[in-house]
Amino acid sequence: NAGVTQTPKFQVLKTGQSMTLQCAQDMNHEYMSWYRQDPGMGLRLIHYSVGAGITDQGEVPNGYNVSRSTTEDFPLRLLSAAPSQTSVYFCASSYSVASGANVLTFGAGSRLTVL
Amino acid sequence: GQNIDQPTEMTATEGAIVQINCTYQTSGFNGLFWYQQHAGEAPTFLSYNVLDGLEEKGRFSSFLSRSKGYSYLLLKELQMKDSASYLCAVREVGDKLIFGTGTRLQVFP
Repeated sequence: NAGVTQTPKFQVLKTGQSMTLQCAQDMNHEYMSWYRQDPGMGLRLIHYSVGAGITDQGEVPNGYNVSRSTTEDFPLRLLSAAPSQTSVYFCASSYSVASGANVLTFGAGSRLTVL
Repeated sequence: GQNIDQPTEMTATEGAIVQINCTYQTSGFNGLFWYQQHAGEAPTFLSYNVLDGLEEKGRFSSFLSRSKGYSYLLLKELQMKDSASYLCAVREVGDKLIFGTGTRLQVFP
């Protein structure tokens, strides 16, 4: 049982490059989400999904795309990276929101630097 | 919109008690969470409140007042390993979990 797996752990990009941060969970969680964490800003919600085929925007969605074609995977795409996207990215998942406490399980994080 | 406020930093002494406050104004409310995050690591779940009152879990307790938009996390018998950031998060109607900026707690011997 691997939990939430994020890849890569570290990535350096040049401005304008594209890339995908991968997130996979093996807990059959319906809910998945992406956050970014910057010093002094806390965790900010980028996009989230309540189930396969359903995605929605969070607090800071601009510059990021997501898709949820399977229950297990929730990739985050940066189409044209900008220095403002330098951050630590966390993927998190939980059981159905309707199940009450809906505790998030976080991945280990992906540190992205955009030059 | 949403606004979740916590103190930025706190310090305390080993063995003491510390209370970390969180106030919130959100467009809906469907539960409040506290997470702990050690430097360089992912957040981990500490507590959950959806009804008013106190939830106790070992050395940690969390309190919620929905009418006041207020919660606190109480840490007793502080240990050095409790040095971490403590994140308050509100689940809004519509399933989004929104975090405050976090409180960095330093415990000194």
